[in-house]
Amino acid sequence: DGGITQSPKYLFRKEGQNVTLSCEQNLNHDAMYWYRQDPGQGLRLIYYSQIVNDFQKGDIAEGYSVSREKKESFPLTVTSAQKNPTAFYLCASTQRGLGAFFGQGTRLTVV
Amino acid sequence: EDQVTQSPEALRLQEGESSSLNCSYTVSGLRGLFWYRQDPGKGPEFLFTLYSAGEEKEKERLKATLTKKESFLHITAPKPEDSATYLCAVQARGGSEKLVFGKGTKLTVNP
Repeated sequence: DGGITQSPKYLFRKEGQNVTLSCEQNLNHDAMYWYRQDPGQGLRLIYYSQIVNDFQKGDIAEGYSVSREKKESFPLTVTSAQKNPTAFYLCASTQRGLGAFFGQGTRLTVV
Repeated sequence: EDQVTQSPEALRLQEGESSSLNCSYTVSGLRGLFWYRQDPGKGPEFLFTLYSAGEEKEKERLKATLTKKESFLHITAPKPEDSATYLCAVQARGGSEKLVFGKGTKLTVNP
């Protein structure tokens, strides 16, 4: 089945720790995205990538980093510089002009 | 700057009571407008893509329409299983693949 796989589903981070969220797609889509979702805030764009080895900052990139070494993979690292990382993180991919397809999300909690 | 505003924020309906959700947008040339359904704790599920004013798409009890400034998601004779948050997003023409989302409308259908 084609789709987007995010892992893990739940993730706990200690203060000062970096954590990496995984996102893999087998849809052969060029563009991939990371969104953060907080209650009442809707989806806010963190980073997006239109092609391998290239990515752009979204609206709330501070405290996050990404890489795009393979077309299928777009991991997100939440660094210790992100002061309020507790949120629901969503990865998506799209082909030009088509709707984005989302993974099932990773819920990150600071403990 | 591209913007999407959804209204109302929340809507309660009785089963069988038809209504509409609104998505107003400003974008520098529309490539596509997308509707999604999101259940709690899950990733958004793609519903429709609309490309040009006057276009309509239907799926079961849902019908999406598009004008130059807004889109409507009409829900006919809703059932409790239609309860979810409905998200609207736009993508602008040009080089960027960036998707901009509204904050969503939370729909509750009571039996």
